[in-house]
Amino acid sequence: EDKVVQSPLSLVVHEGDTVTLNCSYEVTNFRSLLWYKQEKKAPTFLFMLTSSGIEKKSGRLSSILDKKELFSILNITATQTGDSAVYLCAVCNSGGSNYKLTFGKGTLLTVNP
Amino acid sequence: SQTIHQWPATLVQPVGSPLSLECTVEGTSNPNLYWYRQAAGRGLQLLFYSVGIGQISSEVPQNLSASRPQDRQFILSSKKLLLSDSGFYLCAWEGAPRNIQYFGAGTRLSVL
Repeated sequence: EDKVVQSPLSLVVHEGDTVTLNCSYEVTNFRSLLWYKQEKKAPTFLFMLTSSGIEKKSGRLSSILDKKELFSILNITATQTGDSAVYLCAVCNSGGSNYKLTFGKGTLLTVNP
Repeated sequence: SQTIHQWPATLVQPVGSPLSLECTVEGTSNPNLYWYRQAAGRGLQLLFYSVGIGQISSEVPQNLSASRPQDRQFILSSKKLLLSDSGFYLCAWEGAPRNIQYFGAGTRLSVL
């Protein structure tokens, strides 16, 4: 059974801090790893990673994948209160004609002013 | 551009009542569609997925069913709700590049 473990489960920081969120996984037929940000409602897509060692970057957010050690990290620099959210990690298993995502429980990030 | 609509946003239903949640996608054809449930403090659990009209796969045995009567419409149903059906239900479609799923706004269901 595919498994995704995120850590920490929750984190409280002050504006301006840098945070690192972790995601480790076990999956058969790995295809990709995805990060989402969930505020009040729908998760919104952040990154998709397929290759080890290649950093994806968007503004203050960046992410990297290690396929040998089976983990990924999401970094947020110079955090702002708007970064407060649950960050979800998911791995994609390429089974058959569709691609199934297995999600971790998420990391709840709270950024205080 | 593609958009996904999901309704209602919130729903309070008594135990034993029926359920129908609807999800529609615009701006794409023949998308893969998904229903997830998110319980408090937990990740998203895949309930159903569909690769085409009338094609439904169930991931977990449960009190719910799904149907896809049209290419861009996905419906989640129950004949008799249980307390344990309470949760946050999310519909998603799979876009390009493949693997990336985009979510609707979700329905928060409370069964009392």
